[in-house]
Amino acid sequence: AQSVTQLDSQVPVFEEAPVELRCNYSSSVSVYLFWYVQYPNQGLQLLLKYLSGSTLVKGINGFEAEFNKSQTSFHLRKPSVHISDTAEYFCAVSEGDNDMRFGAGTRLTVKP
Amino acid sequence: NAGVTQTPKFQVLKTGQSMTLQCAQDMNHEYMSWYRQDPGMGLRLIHYSVGAGITDQGEVPNGYNVSRSTTEDFPLRLLSAAPSQTSVYFCASSYERGWRAGANVLTFGAGSRLTVL
Repeated sequence: AQSVTQLDSQVPVFEEAPVELRCNYSSSVSVYLFWYVQYPNQGLQLLLKYLSGSTLVKGINGFEAEFNKSQTSFHLRKPSVHISDTAEYFCAVSEGDNDMRFGAGTRLTVKP
Repeated sequence: NAGVTQTPKFQVLKTGQSMTLQCAQDMNHEYMSWYRQDPGMGLRLIHYSVGAGITDQGEVPNGYNVSRSTTEDFPLRLLSAAPSQTSVYFCASSYERGWRAGANVLTFGAGSRLTVL
């Protein structure tokens, strides 16, 4: 079965700085990869997804992620963060007909 | 607005009590699921359903029951609550399961925070 490891539980960063949230997965077959964002006291919402094709995926709010098959990674990046990006970010993997598995989450805190 | 509706938002139970968390969606989604979210553990799948009358166990099913009598509703039942079930519960749905592009994008409810004393 697939699994997901988010390498950082907390990432503090100053406003307008770049950020990278790291995600590694394990799977024996082809996968679909996702990043979800959870704002305080809300449910999760989709940030971006990789299904196939170009390995660089662009999502909402200026985020992008790059699928690296050889390193089994799907890191999330943003060149300049805003206070409003403060949230918890979850990497997730879906494998065939199996259900989605989530990482433990990375709490991004953007400081003024 | 179309989406996933969960009730109640907050609930406090005593050990041994029973309760049902309600989940309803109005998007005609075939697939529905329940997750629990615990600090440092992300979201873990409890039960899921691929259509009315069909349910199956996820990663952490013990202590929970589900049923799916209609496409719209997918309640989660705790028959005898335990402190280990203190968590935030999320219901999620998607149009269908399978390999089709976008099929696995989940729409989440706002969550139900449960405390078991």
